[in-house]
Amino acid sequence: NAGVTQTPKFRVLKTGQSMTLLCAQDMNHEYMYWYRQDPGMGLRLIHYSVGEGTTAKGEVPDGYNVSRLKKQNFLLGLESAAPSQTSVYFCASRPLGLAGEETQYFGPGTRLLVL
Amino acid sequence: GIQVEQSPPDLILQEGANSTLRCNFSDSVNNLQWFHQNPWGQLINLFYIPSGTKQNGRLSATTVATERYSLLYISSSQTTDSGVYFCAVEQGSTGNKLVFGAGTILRVKS
Repeated sequence: NAGVTQTPKFRVLKTGQSMTLLCAQDMNHEYMYWYRQDPGMGLRLIHYSVGEGTTAKGEVPDGYNVSRLKKQNFLLGLESAAPSQTSVYFCASRPLGLAGEETQYFGPGTRLLVL
Repeated sequence: GIQVEQSPPDLILQEGANSTLRCNFSDSVNNLQWFHQNPWGQLINLFYIPSGTKQNGRLSATTVATERYSLLYISSSQTTDSGVYFCAVEQGSTGNKLVFGAGTILRVKS
């Protein structure tokens, strides 16, 4: 049981390049989330999904797109990277709201540097 | 939207000391979680505590939902407790989204 995994761990992009971050979970969780963490701040929600085939915007969605074609995977795409997207990206998953199991489980993070 | 404020922003402790971290939130919540982010960046669940008190070893947490605050207690601190402690709250909205505070940076000196 690997929990939540993220690929890649680290990436350097040039302004204007595109890339996709992959999140995978093996806990059969319904909900998945993408956050970004900037220095001195807590995590901010980019996009989330409440089930396979569904996505929705979070607090800071601009410049990002997501897809959830399979229940276990949640992809985060940057179509045209900007220096302001330099950040650490975290993926999380969560089961449906069964009592006592509503915690979100986080992946190890992806460090992205946009030059 | 809901505001989450954590205090203090920074805390330096000598190993063996106790500490209390506070989280205030501006509206009623369905869920509150405490996380520890270790120096390697990994986020670790500490407590799921929308109300009441829980204990896990040297850590305990109390949430007083009616007064909109939660406290995280660390007793007999160790250097491995260093890192950032985040409080995150969830309101009754679609997707059960978490809103994070800015965190408390804890440094435990040996």
